[in-house]
Amino acid sequence: SYELTQPPSVSVSPGQTASITCSGDKLGNKYASWYQQKPGQSPVLVIYQDSKRPSGIPERFSGSNSGNTATLTISGTQAMDEADYYCQAWDSSTVVFGGGTKLTVL
Amino acid sequence: QVQLVQSGAEVKKSGASVKVSCKASGYTFTGYYMHWVRQAPGQGLEWMGRINPNNGGTNYAQKFQGRVTMTRDTSISTAYLELSSLRSDDTAVYYCTRGSEGGGSSWIDYWGQGTLVTVSS
Repeated sequence: SYELTQPPSVSVSPGQTASITCSGDKLGNKYASWYQQKPGQSPVLVIYQDSKRPSGIPERFSGSNSGNTATLTISGTQAMDEADYYCQAWDSSTVVFGGGTKLTVL
Repeated sequence: QVQLVQSGAEVKKSGASVKVSCKASGYTFTGYYMHWVRQAPGQGLEWMGRINPNNGGTNYAQKFQGRVTMTRDTSISTAYLELSSLRSDDTAVYYCTRGSEGGGSSWIDYWGQGTLVTVSS
């Protein structure tokens, strides 16, 4: 079965750029999506089809996907961006999630 | 606005079954797949499967084949997840979610509030 791998944790200083990676075999040939989940809340879609932002998602969230790696980039990271982030792909009629990355803003 | 409202928390004994409901509003229920995703305490997201509300067709994750049943009632815009032969490691928050598709891909654009299912021995 298809697998997506994320780093367990990423740290960033306020105002700096955070990058969260998601690796999978030929992931660049698929579309990647990203979800943000804050403690006690349901996940929220922040990026779909590699780089598209749903309405209401701030422009500081962006995404890219090439080769074996998709990347979620948060520019000018704010304290409110501290959360768990999950990547997701679609493979063989199956939704596949990465293991999640805890983003700490310190 | 799109809303997915799930049924309340459940406590079940090992070996029992649980059925969670999800009422959709704010969009055409039969126009989008409904996916079910679960999250064990302190763990990541796990996809269980999806149902096409238009025709009732389902795709289940291999892990849950034989134990999961997804159904829907289009007259009340409600989807259901039933999980049988419950074990302690089925303790999790279960989310109903709306799926969108395009370009050969699928993603989840709306999530319900989650239903905590606790399995005790």
